[in-house]
Amino acid sequence: DAKTTQPNSMESNEEEPVHLPCNHSTISGTDYIHWYRQLPSQGPEYVIHGLTSNVNNRMASLAIAEDRKSSTLILHRATLRDAAVYYCIPKLSGTYKYIFGTGTRLKVLA
Amino acid sequence: EPEVTQTPSHQVTQMGQEVILRCVPISNHLYFYWYRQILGQKVEFLVSFYNNEISEKSEIFDDQFSVERPDGSNFTLKIRSTKLEDSAMYFCASSGDGSWEKLFFGSGTQLSVL
Repeated sequence: DAKTTQPNSMESNEEEPVHLPCNHSTISGTDYIHWYRQLPSQGPEYVIHGLTSNVNNRMASLAIAEDRKSSTLILHRATLRDAAVYYCIPKLSGTYKYIFGTGTRLKVLA
Repeated sequence: EPEVTQTPSHQVTQMGQEVILRCVPISNHLYFYWYRQILGQKVEFLVSFYNNEISEKSEIFDDQFSVERPDGSNFTLKIRSTKLEDSAMYFCASSGDGSWEKLFFGSGTQLSVL
């Protein structure tokens, strides 16, 4: 499994963009990069995933470096509801196993 | 939006007892998972299940654990003889139906072993 490095915590002001980085230098060429988040006292929640191209959905954008050794989750306008632990998960191709690391705890300030 | 349902929300048991945690995955999903999270720690993968058999399991998932899909709608996790260290929040997840890469998690069962 590819190892990931994420900041332990980050802070953002409400309604400002947030860029959450993740390093996954040992990722293989066919491993998708997934992002999940866990709100307080809830189960994890899917955010977004991608392979090589940048991806957008209604929740966030995912920017993947050209060498795929890092990626950045972008929340365009943080809200208080976005306060959560965000996990970057490179999933090994052909497996059904998502390994959560320690993630980044995002605090959103009103 | 469809949800993964887990019951009970809290389970208290004595050490050495058997417990069964129940999950109703989203209808038409084909892949099923159990994870656990000890208080203050990270979410840990236990097992994945597809086509009525285990696809992958972690080192945590030893002979004390088993999973079953008994009736096409429920997905259960059994712990045969609980230990104190099994106390954790257990999450069920499912995926499939055109979006197999997107896991939907339940709200969890908090297991307390006394």
